This record gives sequence, C-alpha cells and structure tokens, in this order.
Amino acid sequence: SQTIHQWPATLVQPVGSPLSLECTVEGTSNPNLYWYRQAAGRGLQLLFYSVGIGQISSEVPQNLSASRPQDRQFILSSKKLLLSDSGFYLCAWSDRDRGLLTEAFFGQGTRLTVV
Amino acid sequence: EDQVTQSPEALRLQEGESSSLNCSYTVSGLRGLFWYRQDPGKGPEFLFTLYSAGEEKEKERLKATLTKKESFLHITAPKPEDSATYLCAVQASGYNKLIFGAGTRLAVHP
Repeated sequence: SQTIHQWPATLVQPVGSPLSLECTVEGTSNPNLYWYRQAAGRGLQLLFYSVGIGQISSEVPQNLSASRPQDRQFILSSKKLLLSDSGFYLCAWSDRDRGLLTEAFFGQGTRLTVV
Repeated sequence: EDQVTQSPEALRLQEGESSSLNCSYTVSGLRGLFWYRQDPGKGPEFLFTLYSAGEEKEKERLKATLTKKESFLHITAPKPEDSATYLCAVQASGYNKLIFGAGTRLAVHP
C-alpha cells in the first residue's frame, strides 16, 4: 500500500532563517506531488505541484520554492522565512497513471511557526 | 474564477441528531468533487469522490450526494467520533489540482 511521510511534524524558526521541509511517498511510482498550506480557519491553498522529476508548477508568488530531486521526493524550501510563512504545510500525492481525475492523499502535515 | 463555498462554518449536533453539510461550487467544467475529513493537527483523510450529478456514495454514517451546483454530506445518527472538520474540494476540467473550500467544523456531543 502507498504511504506518504512528511517531516518534521512541528518546527519553530526565527525570521530570516532558511527552511527545508521534506516529503516522500512509498508504494507508488510517478506520482503527482503537491504542497499545500492551511491557515487557521481557512481552506487549503495550493502552493506547488509537480508531475515529474524537476517539473515544478508554482501557484502563488511567494517566499517559498519547491524541488523534486527524485521521483518520490518533494522538498519545500525558503532562503529567508517571513512571519507570514507561519502555517500548517501539507504534502500530498495523487496517482498520475489514473489521469487528471483522481483524489489526492495527504501527509500528516508540518506546523511551522516563524518567530 | 473557480470557487468552493462550504456551509455552515461550524455545526454542533447532539449524538444521534442527523444533519447535512453543504458544498457549493462554481467551476468551468467539473471533473470531480471530493470530500475529506480532517482531525485537529492532522492531514486530511480522503472520504469520497463524486463525478457526475445524481451520484451518491456512502460510508458508515456518511452519505455524499452531488448536483450540478452543490454537494451535500449527510450525517445520519452521528457519534462523538464523527467530530472533525469536513473539507470539500473540486477538480476543474484541464487542471491537475484540487480547489478546496474552507471546511465545516462539526462537533457531536454525547
């Protein structure tokens, strides 16, 4: 069965420090991968998605970047964190072989607090 | 602009008191509508996918239905363990991503 791992679960970082959140998927190949952010009381906002190694689409201009160095690895980064980067970050995958119409499965999230 | 609106924002029920959550959407060509359950501090858990108007899906005390403009998540005789935030998302034609609503926070009290 497929599993998705996301770490760390919680993170407190000072303003101006770098960020690296990692997500890996097991039990599937060629997944679509996604990074979402969830602000308190609001819906999930899509930040980045990737349909293959090195292929990244950005949905919202911001202080963050994403990379996909391996088929089942997705990394969210920042060179200098802002207070507004605080939030709940979620990685997700979907089955590319099923085409565009498919549900996404989420990791357990990272609670990032920028202080 | 593609949009998903969920109502109510919060719902408090007594155990056994059935109710419905609403998800209305405006998208340029609906490919699929998805329901998720999210517990506090956790990632969303997939519940259902609905593809076309008139379709229904059931799982335990939950039943999801779809019309051309909205979806309902019916909760029959809820239990306290059904307390969670329920998220609705849509996939528009030509897009490889989901658009989420803000969710409905459900609290079921014994």
